[in-house]
Amino acid sequence: DAGVTQSPTHLIKTRGQQVTLRCSPKSGHDTVSWYQQALGQGPQFIFQYYEEEERQRGNFPDRFSGHQFPNYSSELNVNALLLGDSALYLCASSLVVAGGEQYFGPGTRLTVT
Amino acid sequence: GDSVTQMEGPVTLSEEAFLTINCTYTATGYPSLFWYVQYPGEGLQLLLKATKADDKGSNKGFEATYRKETTSFHLEKGSVQVSDSAVYFCALSPNTGGFKTIFGAGTRLFVKA
Repeated sequence: DAGVTQSPTHLIKTRGQQVTLRCSPKSGHDTVSWYQQALGQGPQFIFQYYEEEERQRGNFPDRFSGHQFPNYSSELNVNALLLGDSALYLCASSLVVAGGEQYFGPGTRLTVT
Repeated sequence: GDSVTQMEGPVTLSEEAFLTINCTYTATGYPSLFWYVQYPGEGLQLLLKATKADDKGSNKGFEATYRKETTSFHLEKGSVQVSDSAVYFCALSPNTGGFKTIFGAGTRLFVKA
């Protein structure tokens, strides 16, 4: 049973560019959450998708957007990249039951130059 | 708002030493509490969880007890191994519907042989 997978593993972009990160949830999971983890910090919640809709959002600007597909996979899009967007982006999947644990992917390391 | 505070690292111990990593939280109601571990170059893995007051979560020799009166969820292990070297994150889920996890800043543990 494959766990949560993310692509690409690493990415280098230039300021002002746009980026798309992808996530496939653990088999059987229906909810996908995205987190940003800056170096030496804990993950910060970006948003969560369930039934192809954004149902919760953290304190991130509109430059961060996402999508969930009918097969529960998800994309994170970031427009107009800033140097401060450089981080590890983590995808987590779960079942839509409050209090359930999340399963994290290995992350995508984004570097903005 | 909801938040998690954990002891700053790094924590350096010798093999077979006793480990305590302190974690306190601020939240309304009764959140679920978690400890996640992040090994070098990997994503987060759930280590243990507790969903109500006085619950004890345990896994791989690690334990943590949900203390509502002190709003704490300290992580302990009686005898650490070199392989326990990692970053440990305390986290909470507000249990207010949906699933958003709030993480502490993480505590890096080094175990020397």
